[in-house]
Amino acid sequence: NAGVTQTPKFQVLKTGQSMTLQCAQDMNHNSMYWYRQDPGMGLRLIYYSASEGTTDKGEVPNGYNVSRLNKREFSLRLESAAPSQTSVYFCASSDWGVDTEAFFGQGTRLTVV
Amino acid sequence: GENVEQHPSTLSVQEGDSAVIKCTYSDSASNYFPWYKQELGKRPQLIIDIRSNVGEKKDQRIAVTLNKTAKHFSLHITETQPEDSAVYFCAASSNTGKLIFGQGTTLQVKP
Repeated sequence: NAGVTQTPKFQVLKTGQSMTLQCAQDMNHNSMYWYRQDPGMGLRLIYYSASEGTTDKGEVPNGYNVSRLNKREFSLRLESAAPSQTSVYFCASSDWGVDTEAFFGQGTRLTVV
Repeated sequence: GENVEQHPSTLSVQEGDSAVIKCTYSDSASNYFPWYKQELGKRPQLIIDIRSNVGEKKDQRIAVTLNKTAKHFSLHITETQPEDSAVYFCAASSNTGKLIFGQGTTLQVKP
């Protein structure tokens, strides 16, 4: 039982490049989240998906897009990376309405140069 | 939208002392308030949570209190130990499931 798995763990991009962060959970959770973590800023919600087929903006959605591919997978895409997107990205999932604890992936450290 | 403010940003205590971290939230519809602990280089993990129909919850050395009228909740850690040193996050959520976090508190427990 792997829980929440994110790939890659580390990534360096040049300004303007695009990439997709992958997230998958094997706990049959309905809700999934993408956060970014910056020093002194806490965990800020980028997008979340309450259930398969739905997505909604969080606190800092600009510059990002998401896809809830199926119940297991929730990807985050940076179309044109900027240095301001240098951060640690966490994916999380929960079984909202049943057991609300959110489980986090191990994080992706992204550097945009 | 929901906003969660957390104080203090850093907290240093002597081993054995108590530590208190406070959070306020803006959305009166919020009904679920978890606390997460994040050790250096690791992912956040849930340590305790409370729902809006409960005023206080304890689990060994940690407790959480909730004041719905004032829209604030607090984490209390008693008899602190060096292994309690970490970053602690509060969060709030309503029935939409959108989970919003505070800015975090770095707790240092000095031996």
